[in-house]
Amino acid sequence: DTGVSQNPRHKITKRGQNVTFRCDPISEHNRLYWYRQTLGQGPEFLTYFQNEAQLEKSRLLSDRFSAERPKGSFSTLEIQRTEQGDSAMYLCASRPTSGGASNEQFFGPGTRLTVL
Amino acid sequence: AQTVTQSQPEMSVQEAETVTLSCTYDTSESNYYLFWYKQPPSRQMILVIRQEAYKQQNATENRFSVNFQKAAKSFSLKISDSQLGDTAMYFCALMNRDDKIIFGKGTRLHILP
Repeated sequence: DTGVSQNPRHKITKRGQNVTFRCDPISEHNRLYWYRQTLGQGPEFLTYFQNEAQLEKSRLLSDRFSAERPKGSFSTLEIQRTEQGDSAMYLCASRPTSGGASNEQFFGPGTRLTVL
Repeated sequence: AQTVTQSQPEMSVQEAETVTLSCTYDTSESNYYLFWYKQPPSRQMILVIRQEAYKQQNATENRFSVNFQKAAKSFSLKISDSQLGDTAMYFCALMNRDDKIIFGKGTRLHILP
C-alpha cells in the first residue's frame, strides 16, 4: 500500500499524559499537512511542512502541541499534558509540489485520540 | 475570513436517484480551488471532484458533477444514479493560495436500498 499511513490508529490516554502520533506520507510528497477533526465537524488545519521546514501553524495549535518532520519524510505530532478537549481524529495528508502536480491532498486514515 | 457552509447536515435518497448537496463559501481571493471530499464510515477521506475558480466550465467526474456559481459563491455537488457505496460524509472545501484547506461541517448522505 503506497498511500498515507498513520500510527497508531487509535490511542486512549489519561488526562495529563503525553502522546505522539506518526504520519508517513506518500513517497516523494514534499508537502505534509496535519488536520484535526472533532465529532460532527469538518477537519481543521493545524500545520504543514515543505520537506523538513514547518511553514505555518494554526492558532489552534497551542504550546502543548508540537510537530516535526526531521528528515523531510515522516512526521510526528506530539501533544503534551493532554486535555479532554484534545479528543479528536488527527488526520495527516500529503501532496507533491513538482512535476506538474495537482493540488490534491491525499489523506491518511487518521489517528483517533480519546483522552479520559 | 474564509468560510465554507454546508446547510444540509443529513440527507437520504433511494438508490439510483439523483441527489444534490449544497455548499456556499466566502473568500476574498480571486484565485482559489474548490473540492468535494468523501469520507466513508471508518475510512479515509478521498477527493471526489475539484474545480478551479478561474475555469467557468463545471467539473465532471463520471456520476459526479458540480454547479459552480462564482458570483453567488455557490458550489453544489450532484450525484447521479446514486449507489449504496456513495453512503458517506461529504465535505465541501476551499483552498486559497496559502495551500490550507478550509472544510465545511459536512453532509451525511445515506443511500437507501
